[in-house]
Amino acid sequence: SYVLTQPPSVSVAPGQTARITCGGNNIGSKSVHWYQQKPNQAPVLVVYDDSDRPSGIPERFSGSNSGNTATLTISRVEAGDEADYYCQVWDTSSDQVVFGGGTKLTVL
Amino acid sequence: QVQLVESGGGVVQPGRSLRLSCAASGFIFSDFVMHWVRQAPGKGLEWVAVIWYDGSNKYYADSVKGRFTISRDNSKNTLSLQMNSLRAEDTAVYYCARERESRGWFGELLSNWFDPWGQGTLVTVSS
Repeated sequence: SYVLTQPPSVSVAPGQTARITCGGNNIGSKSVHWYQQKPNQAPVLVVYDDSDRPSGIPERFSGSNSGNTATLTISRVEAGDEADYYCQVWDTSSDQVVFGGGTKLTVL
Repeated sequence: QVQLVESGGGVVQPGRSLRLSCAASGFIFSDFVMHWVRQAPGKGLEWVAVIWYDGSNKYYADSVKGRFTISRDNSKNTLSLQMNSLRAEDTAVYYCARERESRGWFGELLSNWFDPWGQGTLVTVSS
């Protein structure tokens, strides 16, 4: 089955740029989606189809995908961005949804 | 507004059954594929099951295949998950989620994602 690998944690100072990676075999050929989950809350979609933003998501959130790595970039990080972030793809070979293990973003 | 509200969670003994429900509102329920996703305490997200618009197709994660059954009632805008032979490792918050998708020129599925999610319902399997 397809595996997505995320770093367990990323730390960044307020106002700086956070980059959260999601690794997978030839992930650049797939569409990657990203979710934000704050403590005791349901996940919220922040980026879909590699780089599109749902309505209501700040422009500070952006995504890219190439080769074996997809990246969620959060510019001008705020304290309120502190959360767990998950990447997700659809694995066509198994017809199953696959999530990455999640990355905890800490705002210093 | 689009809303998904889960119910039915609770504490259940190993080997017993539980049925979860998800009430949908604010959109045409029968127009969307629906999923269940779970999250064990302190762990990541795990996809559980999917059901097609009209219930004609259903797929399951290997970890629940043969024990869980997903269903829907489009007349009542309700999604369900029947969980049998429950195990301690099934302990988790269970979320229902609406699928959004992109398709190619020939209608083939290119990608799918979840938006929105319900607030979740906690299932605890313990003796």
